[in-house]
Formats: sequence, structure tokens, C-alpha cells
Amino acid sequence: EDKVVQSPLSLVVHEGDTVTLNCSYEVTNFRSLLWYKQEKKAPTFLFMLTSSGIEKKSGRLSSILDKKELSSILNITATQTGDSAIYLCAAAGGEKLTFGTGTRLTIIP
Amino acid sequence: DSGVTQTPKHLITATGQRVTLRCSPRSGDLSVYWYQQSLDQGLQFLIQYYNGEERAKGNILERFSAQQFPDLHSELNLSSLELGDSALYFCASSRTGVSTDTQYFGPGTRLTVL
Repeated sequence: EDKVVQSPLSLVVHEGDTVTLNCSYEVTNFRSLLWYKQEKKAPTFLFMLTSSGIEKKSGRLSSILDKKELSSILNITATQTGDSAIYLCAAAGGEKLTFGTGTRLTIIP
Repeated sequence: DSGVTQTPKHLITATGQRVTLRCSPRSGDLSVYWYQQSLDQGLQFLIQYYNGEERAKGNILERFSAQQFPDLHSELNLSSLELGDSALYFCASSRTGVSTDTQYFGPGTRLTVL
């Protein structure tokens, strides 16, 4: 059965800190790894990673995939209160996405 | 705003009842996905349609069914509702339906079964 595990489950940091969120996956016919940010309601897309070792960046957020270790990390630097959210990782395998349960990130001003 | 619309926003109903959730994908997207998100289970993939045809099935119960219509909107039907079906139900859409395609999520329908 396909599985995605995220850690930590919850993280509380002060504004300005840098955080690293982890995602490991076991999926059949792996194609890509996706990160989403979920605030109040619907998840919004952040990154899609298909190649190992190539960092994707968007402002203060960056992510990288390690296909050898079957894992990915999401880094957020100089965190702001607006970064408070649940961050979901999903692995695309075959025809479906398998989601992890998410990391709840709370930024304290 | 992702461009995916879902109705209703909230639904409260009793056990044993049947409800229909509706989703309209982003303009130009051919594929629709349904997900269930409950507190203890995270986001669970239910089913995917592509251009009217079922493409992939996940953890969808037999009491649940879905379809995608010629105008590409989709409906998720939940019947014989149980307390455990209370959850947030998301619809997402993508252009091609390939699993590597970015999925854009709607705002969700919160279902409460009493």
C-alpha cells in the first residue's frame, strides 16, 4: 500500500526562524512529489519535484527531492506569521496522489 | 481563488440520509478528483474522472459514487450516511489527468452527519 509520512507532526517557531519539514514516501511507480500549503480551507499548490537533487525555489520557500532516500524536504527561511499553515506532501504514483497527514506549522510573532 | 467551485459549503444531515456534492472544475481542465479529509485520516483520495470516464479509484466506499457529466462538472453522491462520514470533501481539477499534473483544489464542502 502506498504511504507518505511527514515529520514533524507539528512545529512552533518564532518569526524569523528557518524551518525544515520532512516527507518520506513509498509509492508504486513513483512519478513526482508535490507540496501543498493548507491554511483555512483548500490546499494550494507550492511545488512539484520530479528530479532528484534539483532544488526548486519560490521566494523564501525551497524544496528538494532525494529519490535514493525516497524523501523530500521543504525549507522556509525568515518565517512570517503568514506561513502558519498545514503543509502537505503528496507522492504521485501510477494514477493517484497519496497524501501525508501534514505538518502543522505555527509561527509566533 | 483556484477557479474550482464546490457547492454547498456546508451540509448538515442525519445518519442514513443521502447527499450530493457538486464540483465545477477550472475552465479547460478535463480531470476531476474527489478527496475526503477528516481529522484523524488526513487527505484521502477517493476517485478521479477524466473527460467523463472514471480514471482511478482510491479509498472510496461502496456507499459513495461519483460521476462526471458532459459539461465536465462532477457530483459525489454519499448514501446511507454514518457519523464517520463527517469530513471535509474536496474536489480538485487538473488539465490532463496525469498524476504529475498540478491539481487545483476547490474550497471544499464540510459535511456533518448527526
